[in-house]
Amino acid sequence: TQLLEQSPQFLSIQEGENLTVYCNSSSVFSSLQWYRQEPGEGPVLLVTVVTGGEVKKLKRLTFQFGDARKDSSLHITAAQPGDTGLYLCAGVNKWGKLIFGQGTELSVKP
Amino acid sequence: ETGVTQSPTHLIKTRGQQVTLRCSSQSGHNTVSWYQQALGQGPQFIFQYYREEENGRGNFPPRFSGLQFPNYSSELNVNALELDDSALYLCASSFRLAAYNEQFFGPGTRLTVL
Repeated sequence: TQLLEQSPQFLSIQEGENLTVYCNSSSVFSSLQWYRQEPGEGPVLLVTVVTGGEVKKLKRLTFQFGDARKDSSLHITAAQPGDTGLYLCAGVNKWGKLIFGQGTELSVKP
Repeated sequence: ETGVTQSPTHLIKTRGQQVTLRCSSQSGHNTVSWYQQALGQGPQFIFQYYREEENGRGNFPPRFSGLQFPNYSSELNVNALELDDSALYLCASSFRLAAYNEQFFGPGTRLTVL
């Protein structure tokens, strides 16, 4: 069974702080996606990383795919209250199906 | 471009009943996947439909079944509801030949089983 472990599960920080969310697995994924989900809504795709070692930036968000394509991280610089939400990583397995982590609940206080 | 829509938004059922949830995929997409998201958890893959046939299934019992229609919309049916079926049910559409199976989610249907 392919599993993705996210850490931390909960994160409460002040506006302006930096944070990193980790997504780890013992399995290799062909690609990995990061989603953000707000209450009452479905997840919204932020980024897809494909190549081992790949780094992608989306404004204050930096995503990295591990060299072995088993893990990934999301770093947010100078967090803002609008960043509050549930962050989900999802690996695409060899059958093209998404395997989600349990999510990281981020709360950014003004 | 119309996004993914789901109906109803909320539903309350009792144990043993049956429920049907509906999903309209985003225009241009031909594949629909269904997920169950329990409170405080990530979505769990139920199954995927492509060309009106099931194309992969997660670890869910046969009482979870689905359909895809020629217009690519889809239904999720759950028979003999159990308390643990209470969750947010998400539908996601995608284009079968998209490079990385990027999926676009609807807002979900919140099912409560009493």
